[in-house]
Amino acid sequence: EVQLVESGGGLVKPGGSLRLSCAASGFTFSTYNMNWVRQAPGKGLEWVSSISSSSGYIYYADSVRGRFTISRDNAKNSLYLQMNSLRAEDTAVYYCAGFYGGNSVSYFDLWGRGTLVTVSS
Amino acid sequence: DIQMTQSPSSLSASVGDRVTITCRASQSISTYLNWYEQKPGKAPKLLIYAASSLQSGVPSRFSGSGSGTDFTLTISSLQPEDFATYYCQQSYNTPWTFGQGTKVEIK
Repeated sequence: EVQLVESGGGLVKPGGSLRLSCAASGFTFSTYNMNWVRQAPGKGLEWVSSISSSSGYIYYADSVRGRFTISRDNAKNSLYLQMNSLRAEDTAVYYCAGFYGGNSVSYFDLWGRGTLVTVSS
Repeated sequence: DIQMTQSPSSLSASVGDRVTITCRASQSISTYLNWYEQKPGKAPKLLIYAASSLQSGVPSRFSGSGSGTDFTLTISSLQPEDFATYYCQQSYNTPWTFGQGTKVEIK
């Protein structure tokens, strides 16, 4: 069974830091491009960051570039998101998502249950 | 960035109704368009990829069409389990962007 399990969320003060983790199982993690997608309370989905299977390509949304760092450890089947200089507007459920990229198709087909990050004083 | 605009933002429908949701991209994205369903407190679930391909395990009452800038998700006969929020998403280039969502509610 394919599983993505996020952890590391919680309450943090503005300006603080948090590190999210995502543990993957049930598929060949090392071949998948991985992403973080977030959803603010009552709002829509927002892509945050992507990392290619071998970490050779990394992308960030403008809203987090310079503050967040995505990384992965294929030996541990794990994805990470280091979040620094957190702001109230970063409050959201953060989903770990696998992104399939094939012959003229690409889509998010694997999703974790999400972990809630709350930035508040 | 490519902007994705869905309409309507919400709709009320009855079981058995045919439901259509539209998604417009701010520039041509060929068929790099995906649709997701999200229920409250749950992760999104892929329904349609590449504009019209049905993801494995998704009921055939769901269908997608379109190319370029205009796309449609159709539910041919709405079922009780289909009351949810639906999102389109472009995978043409980064940043990957989603529509604002369409909430399908019970009439």
